[in-house]
Amino acid sequence: AQSVTQPDIHITVSEGASLELRCNYSYGATPYLFWYVQSPGQGLQLLLKYFSGDTLVQGIKGFEAEFKRSQSSFNLRKPSVHWSDAAEYFCAVGSLTGGGNKLTFGTGTQLKVEL
Amino acid sequence: AAGVIQSPRHLIKEKRETATLKCYPIPRHDTVYWYQQGPGQDPQFLISFYEKMQSDKGSIPDRFSAQQFSDYHSELNMSSLELGDSALYFCASTPPGENYGYTFGSGTRLTVV
Repeated sequence: AQSVTQPDIHITVSEGASLELRCNYSYGATPYLFWYVQSPGQGLQLLLKYFSGDTLVQGIKGFEAEFKRSQSSFNLRKPSVHWSDAAEYFCAVGSLTGGGNKLTFGTGTQLKVEL
Repeated sequence: AAGVIQSPRHLIKEKRETATLKCYPIPRHDTVYWYQQGPGQDPQFLISFYEKMQSDKGSIPDRFSAQQFSDYHSELNMSSLELGDSALYFCASTPPGENYGYTFGSGTRLTVV
């Protein structure tokens, strides 16, 4: 069965600093990987996704992620964090089921941005 | 652009009551997914429907049931509610042929008292 590990429960960075959120996955085949962001009490917004091809994926809001098969990782990065980036970030892996797919999420990383 | 609509946004029920959550997918999306997110938890897959048939089942209690109707909207029925059912319930939909083209709704926050 697939699983996702986000080793950092909380991360605090200063505004303008760079950010890297870690994600490790376990999946028996080529994974479909996602990063979502969730503000308090809100829904899940897709930041970016990786299916195949270029291992460096660009997303919205200036985020990018790099798929590293050898390390089973899909870390999320942003060169300069803005205060509005404070939220919870979930990494997820997709597994194909009959007629669709389901996502398995990591436990999330809460990002705090210091001004 | 149309989004996934969930109703109600908030729901308060007492223990042992019944609740019905509704999800209206984006037009022409044929697959609907339900997720449960407990306080401080990650979303957990409950159940999915493809073309009105159940396509997969996750950690959904037997007290819960769901279905997808002819207009593709879905309802999650929850009976004998327990305090532990208090959570944010998300619905998501995907279009034909795009298994990973998830769009999540804003969720229904269920509070059981």
